[in-house]
Amino acid sequence: EDKVVQSPLSLVVHEGDTVTLNCSYEVTNFRSLLWYKQEKKAPTFLFMLTSSGIEKKSGRLSSILDKKELSSILNITATQTGDSAIYLCAALDDKIIFGKGTRLHILP
Amino acid sequence: DTAVSQTPKYLVTQMGNDKSIKCEQNLGHDTMYWYKQDSKKFLKIMFSYNNKELIINETVPNRFSPKSPDKAHLNLHINSLELGDSAVYFCASSQVSLGADYGYTFGSGTRLTVV
Repeated sequence: EDKVVQSPLSLVVHEGDTVTLNCSYEVTNFRSLLWYKQEKKAPTFLFMLTSSGIEKKSGRLSSILDKKELSSILNITATQTGDSAIYLCAALDDKIIFGKGTRLHILP
Repeated sequence: DTAVSQTPKYLVTQMGNDKSIKCEQNLGHDTMYWYKQDSKKFLKIMFSYNNKELIINETVPNRFSPKSPDKAHLNLHINSLELGDSAVYFCASSQVSLGADYGYTFGSGTRLTVV
């Protein structure tokens, strides 16, 4: 059965800390891995990773895919309270399979 | 200039009623989806349409029926609503053929409450 597992399920840190969110996947015909940030409304697209070992960056966020380990990490440096959200990882084959998310809370 | 728009945003209805949720995208994407998000925020795909053709139909009750009049629209009809149908329903779109780094674009969701 295709599945995506994220860890930790929840994380509380102080502003300025760096966090690493983990995602592992088992899908039959893997094409890409996606990261989303979900606050109160719809998930907002962050990254799409298709190639192993190539880091993608957007401001303080970065992500990388390891196809050998069937995993990906999302790093957030110098966290801010506005980073508090649920971060969703999803694997894409002929459909999209979401993990349950990591609930990140940044304390001021 | 909303990319993926869903209506209504909120829907409160009684058990047994029939309701529809509409979705439209102006991104020119060729694939549209419906997801159900449960109380634990877990997103589960329900249906996917590519160029008006159903390509994914996960195990959902027959009371749920998607309808795609054209590739920019994917509506969700729900018959004989039950309490367990209460959830947030998200519409999304993507351009599958290009494989571009756009990921999926989600609508803002429709919060359905069945009473």
